[in-house]
Amino acid sequence: GQNIDQPTEMTATEGAIVQINCTYQTSGFNGLFWYQQHAGEAPTFLSYNVLDGLEEKGRFSSFLSRSKGYSYLLLKELQMKDSASYLCAVRAANKLSFGAGTTVTVRA
Amino acid sequence: DGGITQSPKYLFRKEGQNVTLSCEQNLNHDAMYWYRQDPGQGLRLIYYSQIVNDFQKGDIAEGYSVSREKKESFPLTVTSAQKNPTAFYLCASSPRASGSNTGELFFGEGSRLTVL
Repeated sequence: GQNIDQPTEMTATEGAIVQINCTYQTSGFNGLFWYQQHAGEAPTFLSYNVLDGLEEKGRFSSFLSRSKGYSYLLLKELQMKDSASYLCAVRAANKLSFGAGTTVTVRA
Repeated sequence: DGGITQSPKYLFRKEGQNVTLSCEQNLNHDAMYWYRQDPGQGLRLIYYSQIVNDFQKGDIAEGYSVSREKKESFPLTVTSAQKNPTAFYLCASSPRASGSNTGELFFGEGSRLTVL
């Protein structure tokens, strides 16, 4: 399987920016996904990268470097509702494997 | 509305009993997946199926079984052989990744199984 690492927890202030890093080791890489998961709920899709570079979607951006096995999710203009777990997931051989998730707490 | 339906949402069972979790999708997706999530851990893949009548073991398949007799259905049975079955179980489906289609996973609302 894949080895996917991301920080366990991060805390930031409302209106600020937070960057969640994800590193991975895999063979047959075929895409990296970021999901948001609120406590007790199902994950929801945020972003997808398969080529190197930055993908921007509103307040959220995701970056990928395949040669470094590295991605980050950037959350801008943080809002209280952004408090959630953020999951990095790597697709290879038709399987999507997830990291343990990063719990982001937004404080007023 | 199109989506994925898991049932039941909450389930309590005695140790040693088999239990089957239902997952139905009307998104016409080819692939379906079962994940398990424990507190403080990410999603771990139990089984997945790319096409009807075919499925593969994921990373933690021991103690579980599945079937894929219909495209829209992918039930998961948690058998008595599963040592620690209490967990949050998530079913997902995805379209085939091609062109602008990312092949992202769409998740059901989950089933929380507690073994007493």
